[in-house]
Amino acid sequence: EAGVAQSPRYKIIEKRQSVAFWCNPISGHATLYWYQQILGQGPKLLIQFQNNGVVDDSQLPKDRFSAERLKGVDSTLKIQPAKLEDSAVYLCASSLLLGSVNTEAFFGQGTRLTVV
Amino acid sequence: TQLLEQSPQFLSIQEGENLTVYCNSSSVFSSLQWYRQEPGEGPVLLVTVVTGGEVKKLKRLTFQFGDARKDSSLHITAAQPGDTGLYLCAGEGVTTDSWGKLQFGAGTQVVVTP
Repeated sequence: EAGVAQSPRYKIIEKRQSVAFWCNPISGHATLYWYQQILGQGPKLLIQFQNNGVVDDSQLPKDRFSAERLKGVDSTLKIQPAKLEDSAVYLCASSLLLGSVNTEAFFGQGTRLTVV
Repeated sequence: TQLLEQSPQFLSIQEGENLTVYCNSSSVFSSLQWYRQEPGEGPVLLVTVVTGGEVKKLKRLTFQFGDARKDSSLHITAAQPGDTGLYLCAGEGVTTDSWGKLQFGAGTQVVVTP
């Protein structure tokens, strides 16, 4: 079974530029998450989708971050414009179904973003 | 938001020694998960515990869920260099609107030297 795919693996941009990350979840997984992991910290949930609908985006900085999940499969996360404090690893994860307890999330390798 | 506190933040031990890491909260969880994350990789699920007092074993790793479902521990026996990594706990709330929403602790960085 293929895992969660993310691209690119690494990205270096200057502040105020824009950047986009892509995620392809495990086939058949209805729930997709984007997490931000700053060095030395645990993952922080940015946004959660169930199929192509947003379930939770309460911690997404909406003035600069946006995400979409067209057709309920692939997802993109965009930052525009980027700030220095956005430097982090952006992790995508998927799970089988929201609404059932004992969620098991499967993570991609992440995209390491450096803003200079 | 349910806060998960992990301790210690960093642990360095010699191969063959035992170690325990802790995950504590003031909130009750319907389930709690442990992940291990290696450099440059995403977290990988190790175990899920759901019943208060539950103990699960995975080879040399023993996971325990507190009776009140507010805390958990991970014990590694005879640690090996391959156990090196960031150990993360993640909790899922008890209300139905919190199912599927994992809150992560900051992690414990474990280094096992030969």
